Amino acid sequence: DTGVSQDPRHKITKRGQNVTFRCDPISEHNRLYWYRQTLGQGPEFLTYFQNEAQLEKSRLLSDRFSAERPKGSFSTLEIQRTEQGDSAMYLCASSLGQGLFMNTEAFFGQGTRLTVV
Amino acid sequence: RKEVEQDPGPFNVPEGATVAFNCTYSNSASQSFFWYRQDCRKEPKLLMSVYSSGNEDGRFTAQLNRASQYISLLIRDSKLSDSATYLCVVTYSGGYQKVTFGIGTKLQVIP
Repeated sequence: DTGVSQDPRHKITKRGQNVTFRCDPISEHNRLYWYRQTLGQGPEFLTYFQNEAQLEKSRLLSDRFSAERPKGSFSTLEIQRTEQGDSAMYLCASSLGQGLFMNTEAFFGQGTRLTVV
Repeated sequence: RKEVEQDPGPFNVPEGATVAFNCTYSNSASQSFFWYRQDCRKEPKLLMSVYSSGNEDGRFTAQLNRASQYISLLIRDSKLSDSATYLCVVTYSGGYQKVTFGIGTKLQVIP
């Protein structure tokens, strides 16, 4: 399968625990996005990488959230001291960008569904 | 004002009907526009890009109105399989590509 893959697909954790999600983008894609989606809402932007550089981080991303893309390939999203409000689907997407005005499709992974109890 | 606004619906339409959704965006410098489809508890998938001249793909027609800052999606001859949430997506490139989603419009096609 050469699409975007995310691991794990589901995660149940107790409040206060740390969790880490992984995203493997399509191999030649240089842009990687993390979104969060709650029921009945559209995906909300969290952060964006171009290669290994994190170029934007949403105000939604509190200090408890951190994302990395160490070699410009896979990315991890860590949530520390989870809260019940963190329960959501966390979506990763990747695209191929070659300039400012590239009209490119973003491909999504199947998401990691987090439940904080 | 939200960057991308959509009517969440739901739109309940009979099979065979024509239905249209609009989406407005606030950033006049927005450059690329897409419609994504999301089935329940699945990831979003690209339905179609929206070009300045408008474009059609089978029963689906997308239009862009830059002056009024909205895009539209028209679905003709609705099928039961069209039932899904349709997400409006707007991108802006200001040194990096920012991709913003609308809340989505839920469509339910009824037999």
